Amino acid sequence: DQQVKQNSPSLSVQEGRISILNCDYTNSMFDYFLWYKKYPAEGPTFLISISSIKDKNEDGRFTVFLNKSAKHLSLHIVPSQPGDSAVYFCAAKKKTSYDKVIFGPGTSLSVIP
Amino acid sequence: KAGVTQTPRYLIKTRGQQVTLSCSPISGHRSVSWYQQTPGQGLQFLFEYFSETQRNKGNFPGRFSGRQFSNSRSEMNVSTLELGDSALYLCASSPGDRGQTGELFFGEGSRLTVL
Repeated sequence: DQQVKQNSPSLSVQEGRISILNCDYTNSMFDYFLWYKKYPAEGPTFLISISSIKDKNEDGRFTVFLNKSAKHLSLHIVPSQPGDSAVYFCAAKKKTSYDKVIFGPGTSLSVIP
Repeated sequence: KAGVTQTPRYLIKTRGQQVTLSCSPISGHRSVSWYQQTPGQGLQFLFEYFSETQRNKGNFPGRFSGRQFSNSRSEMNVSTLELGDSALYLCASSPGDRGQTGELFFGEGSRLTVL
């Protein structure tokens, strides 16, 4: 039973445009939601997170939006750059679960120059 | 500050064998987690250790085991290897405090191929 879903395996965007990556979850008990980025032959790196009590968090070109009623979050990258080409994993955890982080299957983003 | 170090980076085994993977966390980090990454499945949680104790366990068979040493270094073992165990095994560390928001620091992974 996949608790964190990313229904788009891949996404292509022109350089300078907005990239929108989507994620859905099934467990309403999650307290934190995160996005990780992974380049080939490297481990995932943390990108941005949001608490379940907020609906938006912004960090430079990256903004995460959370819609709790729809159990949906999205990552916006504006403007997209070729260096953003990577696999993006949506993840979630409960406050009480220590470091047990549940990841989605990932979305491969290609930013075309 | 050195990052998370995993060894070996690549290994090839045959069905029925066993394998041990090693992970050295960032200095000062007391929590070590292990994940299995396969195409289309994302990162599947295996287990998490903190101060030599397993705090969390994922839904993997008993062939998958792990341990943590007093210096926070961790090992995971897979016995009686199956073809489906071929994957990238990722180790992640964090300070392990109760207020953790899920930010993990990953190593580059150990790529296991089972023939």
